Amino acid sequence: KQEVTQIPAALSVPEGENLVLNCSFTDSAIYNLQWFRQDPGKGLTSLLLIQSSQREQTSGRLNASLDKSSGRSTLYIAASQPGDSATYLCASYWGKLQFGAGTQVVVTP
Amino acid sequence: ETGVTQSPTHLIKTRGQQVTLRCSSQSGHNTVSWYQQALGQGPQFIFQYYREEENGRGNFPPRFSGLQFPNYSSELNVNALELDDSALYLCASSSGTADQETQYFGPGTRLLVL
Repeated sequence: KQEVTQIPAALSVPEGENLVLNCSFTDSAIYNLQWFRQDPGKGLTSLLLIQSSQREQTSGRLNASLDKSSGRSTLYIAASQPGDSATYLCASYWGKLQFGAGTQVVVTP
Repeated sequence: ETGVTQSPTHLIKTRGQQVTLRCSSQSGHNTVSWYQQALGQGPQFIFQYYREEENGRGNFPPRFSGLQFPNYSSELNVNALELDDSALYLCASSSGTADQETQYFGPGTRLLVL
C-alpha cells in the first residue's frame, strides 16, 4: 500500500528565501508525481506534474524533482513571496491520487 | 473554458441523515474523481467515474455512492451520516484516466455533521 509523507508539516521563512519542500513515497510503481497548492478552505490548484520517466519539471519560480529509486520528490520555490503562503501537497498517481498530509508554508514580509 | 464547480459550498446535516453533493466537470472532461479531506489531512480517494461507470474505489463503505450523468457531471451520495463524515469533499475532473492527465479540482463542499 502506497504511503506518502511530507516533512516538515509546517514551515515559516522570510520573504526572499528559497523554499524546499520534501515528499517521500514507499512504492516506486507510480505513473506520475504531482504537486498541488491549497489555500485555506479552498480546493487544490495543480502546480507541477512529473511523469515517472522524468527527473524534473519547471514552471516559473517552481522546480520539482523526482527520484523514483529513493522514493523522493522535492519542490523548490525560488525567491519566496508572501503570496506563496499556502499548504503544499504532493500526490503519487497509480490509477488514483495518493496524497501526503501537506506542508503548511508561511512567508513573512 | 469553464472550470470545475461544486454545489453547495457549505452544508450542515445531523447524524443519520443523507446528503447529495454535486460536481460539474470542466468542459471536455469525461472523468470525475471524488475525495474526502478531513481537517489537517490530505485528500483521500473515494471513487472515480469514467463515462458514467465507476472506475475505481477507495476504502470507503457502501453508504458512499455516486453517479455520473451523460454530460459527465457527477453526484456523491452519503447515507446514514456519521460525525466522522464531517470534511471537505473535493471533486476533480480530467480528460481521461491516462497517467499523464492532470486532474483539475473544484473548490469543494464543506460538510458538517452534528
